Formats: sequence, structure tokens, C-alpha cells
Amino acid sequence: EPEVTQTPSHQVTQMGQEVILRCVPISNHLYFYWYRQILGQKVEFLVSFYNNEISEKSEIFDDQFSVERPDGSNFTLKIRSTKLEDSAMYFCASTAGTGTIQTRKAYEQYFGPGTRLTVT
Amino acid sequence: GIQVEQSPPDLILQEGANSTLRCNFSDSVNNLQWFHQNPWGQLINLFYIPSGTKQNGRLSATTVATERYSLLYISSSQTTDSGVYFCAVRNTNAGKSTFGDGTTLTVKP
Repeated sequence: EPEVTQTPSHQVTQMGQEVILRCVPISNHLYFYWYRQILGQKVEFLVSFYNNEISEKSEIFDDQFSVERPDGSNFTLKIRSTKLEDSAMYFCASTAGTGTIQTRKAYEQYFGPGTRLTVT
Repeated sequence: GIQVEQSPPDLILQEGANSTLRCNFSDSVNNLQWFHQNPWGQLINLFYIPSGTKQNGRLSATTVATERYSLLYISSSQTTDSGVYFCAVRNTNAGKSTFGDGTTLTVKP
């Protein structure tokens, strides 16, 4: 079964450094998302992306964050200047959308395995 | 925004016991998924269940959308069932998911 992949699985960075988290959504999916989960807390929405632009973002997704789909397969999350509080697990997800596959699966959200970001 | 409440927050069982986890949501939803977060932090998709009932082995789920709740049933629990179970809902087809706080399940041998 197709799956969402993420790299790296674990990244350690120093405060103030830029990091790029990478995701390869499922081929032919149209909607892409980033979520984060601070240790011991629930999963929080960061941003959704469709048709090469941000469709929705949360309060967490401030000017330090950006997303990009640089080619037909990758979807990246960049944090410009990391802070200690950015330490979390970051999940990428994708959804097919209408008409691409069976209707019952068209809006199921598929999550990647996550990237654990540690800011020191 | 939509509120999602899961209960109980913690559950401790002996191996072989059955359990029911509940997810209440504050508004109508188009999509609902149940996830199991394993010890490595990965979110394992258990069910995509915006309405109705589904079964997969020892697990089953029921969503009553009109009454704004979903239930996850685990029968004959095993130690490998331990972990955090999340309910996630969406009120638009391709919109963001809102997660509950999760139920932490511990199954003792």
C-alpha cells in the first residue's frame, strides 16, 4: 500500500539554526498537511497546502515557518530560526481528494512516520 | 473551532480484557479517524469512519454522527495494544484534522 515518507527521522539542531523537514506524499494526492506534537501532548495542525498554495494555517504557523512543494513529489516544512519550543514530532499528511481513487478513500488522511526535531 | 474530547484519559487493563474508548465532538463532522500511536511515535491509522460501524480483527469502531460521538472497541487486549489512541475529526472533506487529547492504554501481562 502506498505510504507517506518523511526524512530525516530525527534531527538535532542548535537554537537559531534553520531546518528543513522533508516529506514525500502519496503519489496523485492533492492535499498536503503538516502537524506537530510536542512530547506528551496532542497532535496540532500547522498548515494545509493545495494547488501550490497554503489553504489554511494555524496560529502556530507564524513567519518563522514556510512550506514549499519544490517539485512534483516533495513537500517541505522550513523553520527559519529554531527555538527551544520548536522541539516536537512533526508529521506530514496527505489526502487524495475527489475523483482520484475510490470515493470511500478519497478523504482519508494518511500520515507519515514523523520527524523528531530536537532543538538544543 | 471544533472541540474533541476523549475518555477515559488513561486506562489500565489486564491482558485479555475488553475496553471501549470514546470520542465526543462538538460539531458535525465529515470525516473521523482513529489512530494508535506506537512507542516510536508513529500514528497508525486504525479506522476511517465518518459514520457507521467497521471491524478489523479484534478492533471495531462505531460513529454516530448525528449524536456526535464515536467509540473504539478493543477486545481480548494484548500488551502490544498499549499506547495512545487518538480520535481526529474534520468538518470539511479535505480540511485540517482536529485531534483529541488521546486515551493512554496500558495492557498488563
